[in-house]
Amino acid sequence: NAGVTQTPKFQVLKTGQSMTLQCAQDMNHEYMSWYRQDPGMGLRLIHYSVGAGITDQGEVPNGYNVSRSTTEDFPLRLLSAAPSQTSVYFCASSNIGQGVSGANVLTFGAGSRLTVL
Amino acid sequence: AQTVTQSQPEMSVQEAETVTLSCTYDTSESDYYLFWYKQPPSRQMILVIRQEAYKQQNATENRFSVNFQKAAKSFSLKISDSQLGDAAMYFCAYRRTGNQFYFGTGTSLTVIP
Repeated sequence: NAGVTQTPKFQVLKTGQSMTLQCAQDMNHEYMSWYRQDPGMGLRLIHYSVGAGITDQGEVPNGYNVSRSTTEDFPLRLLSAAPSQTSVYFCASSNIGQGVSGANVLTFGAGSRLTVL
Repeated sequence: AQTVTQSQPEMSVQEAETVTLSCTYDTSESDYYLFWYKQPPSRQMILVIRQEAYKQQNATENRFSVNFQKAAKSFSLKISDSQLGDAAMYFCAYRRTGNQFYFGTGTSLTVIP
């Protein structure tokens, strides 16, 4: 299995440009989420979803949009990139529920490094 | 609000020795999960160990074990017989009801040959 696949791995944007970070998982996980990782700040939750058609905000949602039209895909959109969005982004997924195999354990993608000039 | 605190930004250990990484968390919930993730220079996040709060027994995975003190809201990671491949950033994480995860700021572990 491929697990969680993120694309692109690296991206450079100019301020004001838009882009979409793609995330796909092939484990039939209900839960998907996006984090950003900044030096000295750990991983912070941006948005998450507990199933197709359901999304919610995390700790730092401003400037980001998400949608969940299928179980497999959870893209993260930057509508107007700002230098403050320079970061490493991780997509992660898991099953949900007690007694479900792999439940409550996040599986991460390889990360996407985004630089906004 | 849930917060996770890792008070040691950097730690070092001699190869084959034991090191303990600290983590404290704040919560008002009684049922939750705690995790330690490892991030080597490759940037990939790798699960090291997890602990269910309702279990009193400390989790163990080979050379990795935890000291879970629920009343003190403390969750430390002990690495025994440290190896060069253990060098990485280690993140403590808390999972609350609703499957939201909160991460600490990380501890960078150096293993000295």
